[in-house]
Amino acid sequence: GAGVSQSPSNKVTEKGKDVELRCDPISGHTALYWYRQSLGQGLEFLIYFQGNSAPDKSGLPSDRFSAERTGGSVSTLTIQRTQQEDSAVYLCASSLARRAYGYTFGSGTRLTVV
Amino acid sequence: AQTVTQSQPEMSVQEAETVTLSCTYDTSENNYYLFWYKQPPSRQMILVIRQEAYKQQNATENRFSVNFQKAAKSFSLKISDSQLGDTAMYFCAFILTSGTASKLTFGTGTRLQVTL
Repeated sequence: GAGVSQSPSNKVTEKGKDVELRCDPISGHTALYWYRQSLGQGLEFLIYFQGNSAPDKSGLPSDRFSAERTGGSVSTLTIQRTQQEDSAVYLCASSLARRAYGYTFGSGTRLTVV
Repeated sequence: AQTVTQSQPEMSVQEAETVTLSCTYDTSENNYYLFWYKQPPSRQMILVIRQEAYKQQNATENRFSVNFQKAAKSFSLKISDSQLGDTAMYFCAFILTSGTASKLTFGTGTRLQVTL
């Protein structure tokens, strides 16, 4: 597609439930990133996929968080047993391999855990 | 590890005036890229301007320009002739040109309000 697409745009879930957030990157972009933005905060790196390489999971805050990228395209971020502190905007971005061009971001998913 | 610091949580400027947003970073590497992103209420991060560290000339994009001081590790953003549509959060970001640390590192942002 023309841009990075994320769904859903907003998600309200009950504490303890699992949620799945989806990211559809720009066609041809080999790299895909997930960031978390808590209220009034900067962007916190979560995970990074580059081609067929093993993902960089160094930013995942706990083992309740996982992500996969199927066929080098669409990615799903899964949060199990959600907690209130998981409430945030989850941003996905994609990029070409060359870092000079920065990332193209989606509009994010606002997750609210009640 | 690389860090990015934005010391101004909030700023305000009148329409048509000029404003400068500050950013400093810390790295022991010599080759990297720097970026400014804008995040309006729509939440989507928009790339405003970028700078290659090996270039001495400051980047310019229309009303947006940077003052890149490599020795001081400073990368400020100047917005000239401010417009109401410039109201947004602005994030400074850093990435190495190569190596395994290939993700953008962001500052905590500056909220800019443009007023009439």
